[in-house]
Amino acid sequence: QVQLQESGPRLVKPSETLSLTCTVSGGSVSSTNFYWGWIRQPPGKGLEWIAYIYYSGSTNYNPSLKSRVTISVDTSKNQFSLRLTSVTAADTAVYYCARLRGYTNNWYIDSWGQGTLVTVSS
Amino acid sequence: SYELTQPPSVSVSPGQTVSITCSGDKLGDKYACWYQQKPGQSPVLVIYQDNKRPSGIPERFSGSNSGSTATLTISGTQAMDEADYSCQAWDSSTAYVVFGGGTKLTVL
Repeated sequence: QVQLQESGPRLVKPSETLSLTCTVSGGSVSSTNFYWGWIRQPPGKGLEWIAYIYYSGSTNYNPSLKSRVTISVDTSKNQFSLRLTSVTAADTAVYYCARLRGYTNNWYIDSWGQGTLVTVSS
Repeated sequence: SYELTQPPSVSVSPGQTVSITCSGDKLGDKYACWYQQKPGQSPVLVIYQDNKRPSGIPERFSGSNSGSTATLTISGTQAMDEADYSCQAWDSSTAYVVFGGGTKLTVL
């Protein structure tokens, strides 16, 4: 059974860059049947999709965050990563890494990391 | 951009049936899925591809999707079902993942 684990700083200063890594075990980021993505959830609010990536490097981003977000994959380490630049307090949230399963126009998240709370504060 | 709308809250008595709706433009032409999230925990997939249950999800959870509304139905609701439920769809025109705002289910 695949497991995903987020890692990275829990506290980031305003205007700086948030960087998180997701380590995948029990499965491979090089699998052809999955996308790998990031979702966040501000305290007390709903889920917000950030980005996803395919092992080949193909990506897609939430348009509301696209100008500040980069997602990347490292198949040699079986990891994928998120960078969010110029953060503000509005970026304070629990960040989840996730695996998307599906085909054509039917994609859903079948595995989630435990989530990590990232706080933006000076 | 494509949007999904859910009621903020729904309540149900133990043992009763409850439905949670998710509305979006021609949502019935897309596939919908549902996640259950309990406080302090990661979401869990309970319905995918409109009406399919992943392994380990109780039969009391069912789903449907037609027209502009997807519906999650819980039959014989138990206290353990109290949680937030979020719908999600894939916008085929943009390949974006879209979430509804979430519905808090209270089992009174």
